[in-house]
Amino acid sequence: QLQLQESGPGLVKPSETLSLTCTVSGGSISSSNYYWGWIRQPPGKGLEWIGSIYFSGSTYCNPSLKSRVTMSVDTSKNQFSLKLSSVTAADTAVYYCARQSTSWCFDYWGQGTLVTVSS
Amino acid sequence: DIQMTQSPSSLSASVGDRVTITCRASQSVSSYLNWCQQKPGKAPKLLIYAAYTLQSGVPSRFSGSGSGTDFTLTISSLQPEDFATYFCQQSYSSPWTFGQGTKVEIK
Repeated sequence: QLQLQESGPGLVKPSETLSLTCTVSGGSISSSNYYWGWIRQPPGKGLEWIGSIYFSGSTYCNPSLKSRVTMSVDTSKNQFSLKLSSVTAADTAVYYCARQSTSWCFDYWGQGTLVTVSS
Repeated sequence: DIQMTQSPSSLSASVGDRVTITCRASQSVSSYLNWCQQKPGKAPKLLIYAAYTLQSGVPSRFSGSGSGTDFTLTISSLQPEDFATYFCQQSYSSPWTFGQGTKVEIK
């Protein structure tokens, strides 16, 4: 059974960079059939897709966040990562990683990690 | 961006009830519409993709219908484990967007 697990600091200061890693187990991140994505959900609000990455390193992002997002993949560790720069309180959210199939649905998700932006 | 609107935002129902949740897209998404279930502290779970295709392992009491802009998720007989939040997601065009969610509560 494929499992995804987010990890990273739960508290980030304003103007700093949020960094999260997603570790994939039970399957290979190098599969040619899937992208690997990041989605977030601010408290009491809906879900927002941040961006997705292919095992080759090819990425595509939500234009609303593109200027602040960097994604990378480490196939040797079966992990992919997200960096979001210049964070503000509006970036406080539960951050999820997920596998994105060729039909572009998110078919496996991590349980999410809360990141709070506060001084 | 394609806006996804779900209704209702919450509902109360009893075990055994038939429950219907609606998702409307701001423009046609063809059949590229997916439904997920979300429980507090748990990983969201894909239930239905491509409007009506049941994800492997999902009980047959869940079904999806619709195309274009209007879609429906139906739970034919609500079970105790179905009390959760349900959200739709369009996979027609990037940026991928989600409905705001429908919380199904115990009556």
